[in-house]
Amino acid sequence: ILNVEQSPQSLHVQEGDSTNFTCSFPSSNFYALHWYRWETAKSPEALFVMTLNGDEKKKGRISATLNTKEGYSYLYIKGSQPEDSATYLCAFSSGGSYIPTFGRGTSLIVHP
Amino acid sequence: EAQVTQNPRYLITVTGKKLTVTCSQNMNHEYMSWYRQDPGLGLRQIYYSMNVEVTDKGDVPEGYKVSRKEKRNFPLILESPSPNQTSLYFCASSVTAGMNTEAFFGQGTRLTVV
Repeated sequence: ILNVEQSPQSLHVQEGDSTNFTCSFPSSNFYALHWYRWETAKSPEALFVMTLNGDEKKKGRISATLNTKEGYSYLYIKGSQPEDSATYLCAFSSGGSYIPTFGRGTSLIVHP
Repeated sequence: EAQVTQNPRYLITVTGKKLTVTCSQNMNHEYMSWYRQDPGLGLRQIYYSMNVEVTDKGDVPEGYKVSRKEKRNFPLILESPSPNQTSLYFCASSVTAGMNTEAFFGQGTRLTVV
């Protein structure tokens, strides 16, 4: 089973702060990296699907970068709002596999 | 509205009593899968299906069965549930089996086996 690590495990920030967290994955045989946002009592919701080294994706105040050669992806949230409070999951897929490996997630709490 | 629907949302059952959790998607997606979420662990895939009548094991298939008789439905069957199958279960679907497309998740089913 592949190793996908997310850090930090949890994060508390104040409203308006910008923040970022990391997803580390195997650097060999990369195929795709997914980011999901998971609010309590809801279902995980796709944020980004990233496939190319150097990819940068943006959705509103949230953006992500990808480095497949060194095996990491960063998720950035600019000007955090309380509604950004959620667990952020990443999932790694290797070539030829139909089974994604999920990290344990980063729990973000934004205080008003 | 495009969605993945799971039922039931909550279920308490006894050891050994067969149960089925249903999953249905209305997006004509080819790929469907089941995951379990346990405290301290990432989502782990139980089974997946690339299309009708095509299913395969994920990382943790023991104690589970699935079927894919129609494209929209992908039920998860626990023939003889045990307490270690107490977990939060998610069904998901995506357009194709290629891992470069986003997955849509159901609302989750919280199962307790006593």
